[in-house]
Amino acid sequence: QKEVEQDPGPLSVPEGAIVSLNCTYSNSAFQYFMWYRQYSRKGPELLMYTYSSGNKEDGRFTAQVDKSSKYISLFIRDSQPSDSATYLCAMSEESGGSNYKLTFGKGTLLTVNP
Amino acid sequence: EAGVTQSPTHLIKTRGQQATLRCSPISGHTSVYWYQQALGLGLQFLLWYDEGEERNRGNFPPRFSGRQFPNYSSELNVNALELEDSALYLCASRVTGIRYTFGSGTRLTVV
Repeated sequence: QKEVEQDPGPLSVPEGAIVSLNCTYSNSAFQYFMWYRQYSRKGPELLMYTYSSGNKEDGRFTAQVDKSSKYISLFIRDSQPSDSATYLCAMSEESGGSNYKLTFGKGTLLTVNP
Repeated sequence: EAGVTQSPTHLIKTRGQQATLRCSPISGHTSVYWYQQALGLGLQFLLWYDEGEERNRGNFPPRFSGRQFPNYSSELNVNALELEDSALYLCASRVTGIRYTFGSGTRLTVV
């Protein structure tokens, strides 16, 4: 079993839809949970970051972490064509020495149609 | 503030050759990470450099190596290239905490 599993999609939705993206993981030592957005031919950019369990909201984006189920989600409200990208979940243990090595899911390709 | 810059943008090499990829972190960032993004595999951790030292490496063979210079820029070297080394190589930097900033990557194609 891979440490982080993410449905690769592709996912296609109409403009204005609510999008739900998910990852599951097996390593109970993960404490940091992140969502990155990657446009074609670009590097990933950090969208949301959460420490341990709970929810975090930033504008149209909401990240949820359920450590008991080893399950994280990203919700995008009122999706826009500019949200079309690959969304990557990433996780890290809280390790000594400030390592912060990230373990990524494979990414979900999202297309928002006008 | 200038972002993380990587060069070259694209690199085509023949199997068995060596490739050198370069990364300039954001000014003030002392940690540099290298990741490989191969088709169908997602981002895989390669190397972490901090204050000029290699601090951690991922599950890659020794022909993947690198270094960090006194100005915190970094170089990734891949020796004895194999076809499966074809991938996007991403560099990221950070100063403290877990927030990385990634560059746009070097697309390495091995033929």
